[in-house]
Amino acid sequence: AQKITQTQPGMFVQEKEAVTLDCTYDTSDQSYGLFWYKQPSSGEMIFLIYQGSYDEQNATEGRYSLNFQKARKSANLVISASQLGDSAMYFCAMREGRKGSARQLTFGSGTQLTVLP
Amino acid sequence: GAVVSQHPSWVICKSGTSVKIECRSLDFQATTMFWYRQFPKQSLMLMATSNEGSKATYEQGVEKDKFLINHASLTLSTLTVTSAHPEDSSFYICSAEGPGSAKNIQYFGAGTRLSVL
Repeated sequence: AQKITQTQPGMFVQEKEAVTLDCTYDTSDQSYGLFWYKQPSSGEMIFLIYQGSYDEQNATEGRYSLNFQKARKSANLVISASQLGDSAMYFCAMREGRKGSARQLTFGSGTQLTVLP
Repeated sequence: GAVVSQHPSWVICKSGTSVKIECRSLDFQATTMFWYRQFPKQSLMLMATSNEGSKATYEQGVEKDKFLINHASLTLSTLTVTSAHPEDSSFYICSAEGPGSAKNIQYFGAGTRLSVL
């Protein structure tokens, strides 16, 4: 079974509008972390936002917020007031509990976001 | 956030030669670094976990004699692709766990595009 599922291969949004990128995850650990990264065409991976499994409030970082629904195992990224520079590939990732070599990140397949002028 | 520097950003080499890629944590110490590989339009796949002062931990299916990892200091990990062949052409990217309160976050280098002729 996929640990991280991103069901939207591509998304379009109008400039200045908000957009939600979906991410669901699968783990049996109680302690885990969820991440969103942005990868522009240049290839670098830019950290956007982090949500710990025990965090009671949804994480926010500027125009980015994470809609964390633990019971549904979803961690959707919301980008408000989209800008042309937001056009990129977006990856959801999970780090499971600290056991052995489990600190590495597992990535979803990504969502290509295109912001339209 | 913490800065990770990766060099070179782009390399072309002849089949049979070896290529070394460097990953440096700037202004912070990274006891653990990670090496990923990414094929076009695909997600990141973990290759190995690099531990300062000890042997790297390789993921299943990754040839440790092919992809040599050396983590000789707290700020530098290197990946050497030995006897490179065209099928090794890919995007290689490293990450390091952030310092202090950012330890849960993995910060990435800008990546290295390897083309083997």
